[in-house]
Amino acid sequence: GNSVTQMEGPVTLSEEAFLTINCTYTATGYPSLFWYVQYPGEGLQLLLKATKADDKGSNKGFEATYRKETTSFHLEKGSVQVSDSAVYFCALSDRIGYSSASKIIFGSGTRLSIRP
Amino acid sequence: NAGVTQTPKFQVLKTGQSMTLQCAQDMNHEYMSWYRQDPGMGLRLIHYSVGAGITDQGEVPNGYNVSRSTTEDFPLRLLSAAPSQTSVYFCASSPDRDTPYEQYFGPGTRLTVT
Repeated sequence: GNSVTQMEGPVTLSEEAFLTINCTYTATGYPSLFWYVQYPGEGLQLLLKATKADDKGSNKGFEATYRKETTSFHLEKGSVQVSDSAVYFCALSDRIGYSSASKIIFGSGTRLSIRP
Repeated sequence: NAGVTQTPKFQVLKTGQSMTLQCAQDMNHEYMSWYRQDPGMGLRLIHYSVGAGITDQGEVPNGYNVSRSTTEDFPLRLLSAAPSQTSVYFCASSPDRDTPYEQYFGPGTRLTVT
């Protein structure tokens, strides 16, 4: 079945460092891809999305490009801040059986900690 | 708008007890779902609903029941709690059954079963 694999954490960086969190996927068809963020004590929030190959999703300085040839959707940010400390989840959409509904398949999450 | 609300925030149960986790949204969303979050496993879909009166199973439905009698409410029932159900539970809603990635998540319920 469809699945998402992301790099294990925790990832610890200094403020203003460059961030990459790797994500690869296995899917039949052409799913949409997402990054969600979970700040401490909160639920998940959609950070960015890409719905077709070569699309670039971006938000709050984060970017990710849907690469069909490498089945990847790596998250990047040029200069991280302490406030970016959170858990980041890569995810894809998947149809539920033969219904018109979809579900989201999540990776296991990567904890990011930024040192001042 | 309150968004998606969940009660309680924390709960401790003994093995065999039953309880209901409450979830409500005030955004008139069609699609609602329940996930559990376990360390190293991301979020796994328990049950979902595409509208009032319509529910279906997700990846890990065993030991849980749901119903959707109104658009606003989507309670999750644990019939006979087991230690394997210790987890953080998130409810989420989305305005469109075909774009559930636009989900709004509640703050979560941390459940411990002893």
